[in-house]
Parts: sequence; structure tokens; C-alpha cells
Amino acid sequence: AQTIHQWPVAEIKAVGSPLSLGCTIKGKSSPNLYWYWQATGGTLQQLFYSITVGQVESVVQLNLSASRPKDDQFILSTEKLLLSHSGFYLCAWSQNSGNTLYFGEGSRLIVV
Amino acid sequence: AQSVTQPDARVTVSEGASLQLRCKYSYSGTPYLFWYVQYPRQGLQLLLKYYSGDPVVQGVNGFEAEFIKSNSSFHLRKASVHWSDSAVYFCAVSGSSNTNKVVFGTGTRLQVLP
Repeated sequence: AQTIHQWPVAEIKAVGSPLSLGCTIKGKSSPNLYWYWQATGGTLQQLFYSITVGQVESVVQLNLSASRPKDDQFILSTEKLLLSHSGFYLCAWSQNSGNTLYFGEGSRLIVV
Repeated sequence: AQSVTQPDARVTVSEGASLQLRCKYSYSGTPYLFWYVQYPRQGLQLLLKYYSGDPVVQGVNGFEAEFIKSNSSFHLRKASVHWSDSAVYFCAVSGSSNTNKVVFGTGTRLQVLP
């Protein structure tokens, strides 16, 4: 069975500090990978997607970047956090484009 | 570009009552439609999806949805709700021309009263 793991579960970070959020998928080769951001009580905003290692497409950047260093890993990062980066970050995978998204448990970020 | 409208931010029903959560989408091509549920502090889980064929699709836990192309709608229904159905429900759309972009609605928070 496929599993998706996000880390860290939660973080409190200072404005201007760097950030790295990670996502690992096990049990599925060559998945499509996605990053979503959810403001508290809000909808999901798609940030990035990747269909293969080393290739990442930006949907909305929000002063963030993403990378896919391995087939099963997706990283979201920034060098300088803003207050507006606070929220819930969700990683998801799908078998093919347009198919069901399978979400991780999310990483909660509070920027102070 | 596709978009999704969920006009009801909050819905409150009594346990055992029937439920309809509304969703309207905008997409010029063939839509792929989804309903997801989110429990507190968790990721989203798929309830059901529509790609083609029978416009009424069955999902988990007794949920179903009907695709009405003429109305650009994909409303979620359940005949009898349980208190454990309390959660946030999201409608989402992707499409044949840009299948990697999945757009979500703003969500409907469902509260089921015992």
C-alpha cells in the first residue's frame, strides 16, 4: 500500500527565517506530486506540481519554491518567511494526471 | 481556467436528516469532478469522483453526487447523516486540457447536531 509522509508536523518560525517542508511517498513509483496551501479555515491553493524527478511546475509561487530531488520526495522551501506564509501545507500524489489526489496529513506553519 | 463555487460556507442539520451540499463548477472542456472531506487537523480524503458515464456516482459512507452538465453542478447528497459526518467538504475540478491543475472550492463546513 502507498503511504505519504509529511514533515515536520508543525513549526513555529520567525519572519525572515528559512523554511523547508518535506513529503515522501512510499509504495508508488513515478507519482505526480503536488503542494497545496490552506489558510486557516480556508480553501486549498495549489502551489506546485511535478510529474517527474527534477521537473517542477509553479501554479502560484507565493515567494516559495519547490524541488523534486528524488522520485519519491517533494520539498517546499523559502529563504525568507513572511507572515502570510502561515497556514496548513498539504502534499498530495496522484497516479496519473487528472486522477484522484491522495493527501498527506499536512504540516502546520505559524510565522511570528 | 477552471473554478468551483460552493455557495454555502456552513450547513447545520440534525442527525438522521437528509443532506445536500451544493457545488457549481466552471470549465470549458470535459471536467473531472471530485468531492473530498477534511476532518479537523487532517489532510483531505476522497469521497467520490466523476470522470464520465453514469451522472450519479456513489461514494464512501453513503454519499452520492450527481453531475448535471446543463447546470454545471455536482451536488453532494446523503440520505441520512450521522454526527460523525461533521467535517469540511470540498468540491474540486480538473479537466482534460490541464489535468495537473486541480482547483478546489472554498469548502462547506457541515455540523450535524445529535
